[in-house]
Amino acid sequence: DSGVTQTPKHLITATGQRVTLRCSPRSGDLSVYWYQQSLDQGLQFLIQYYNGEERAKGNILERFSAQQFPDLHSELNLSSLELGDSALYFCASSVARGADSYNEQFFGPGTRLTVL
Amino acid sequence: GENVEQHPSTLSVQEGDSAVIKCTYSDSASNYFPWYKQELGKRPQLIIDIRSNVGEKKDQRIAVTLNKTAKHFSLHITETQPEDSAVYFCAARRGAGSYQLTFGKGTKLSVIP
Repeated sequence: DSGVTQTPKHLITATGQRVTLRCSPRSGDLSVYWYQQSLDQGLQFLIQYYNGEERAKGNILERFSAQQFPDLHSELNLSSLELGDSALYFCASSVARGADSYNEQFFGPGTRLTVL
Repeated sequence: GENVEQHPSTLSVQEGDSAVIKCTYSDSASNYFPWYKQELGKRPQLIIDIRSNVGEKKDQRIAVTLNKTAKHFSLHITETQPEDSAVYFCAARRGAGSYQLTFGKGTKLSVIP
């Protein structure tokens, strides 16, 4: 157990709908990262938040958005869902403090999203 | 931005043999290179990492080497066992800033008993 939690574990929805995925980082970790992993694909970085503020953006679609709350949990919002959005969505957390900090990223168990 | 290439995409070895996975990166400012193991349907888990001020690091049957000049790093698994079968991802990260990891596309390792 990495200490990172994600809910829900599975999500099945229809095209055009909107869903929210939730992530709670490890205690003490300030940074949350979201990744998308499609079937047989690698880990695509979507977005990073650090202590409530957006820090970096990757290949995140405009239909997707995220935020990090004062208690440091994060939510990833996916709207106008398409079949191709079906994937595993992972969040990871790290301390992300200081240039030489260890800063290992610990991954949550993921949310499997199925869009029908 | 950073680009990480990983080879091979699939690798089959006999139990007890060694396995080597290679990655190259493009950003010379990258200074941290972790390797993750992902079993089917599970989360990626860090198995070993190396920082740019070190050329080699070992942890039991696993070792990672880094060549900063050539911008490539490799994962070596010796005496492979069936439980080593998984997808392995390399990644690279720049220094202070976003701490964002750029991942390779993964190598599916199969260890044949």
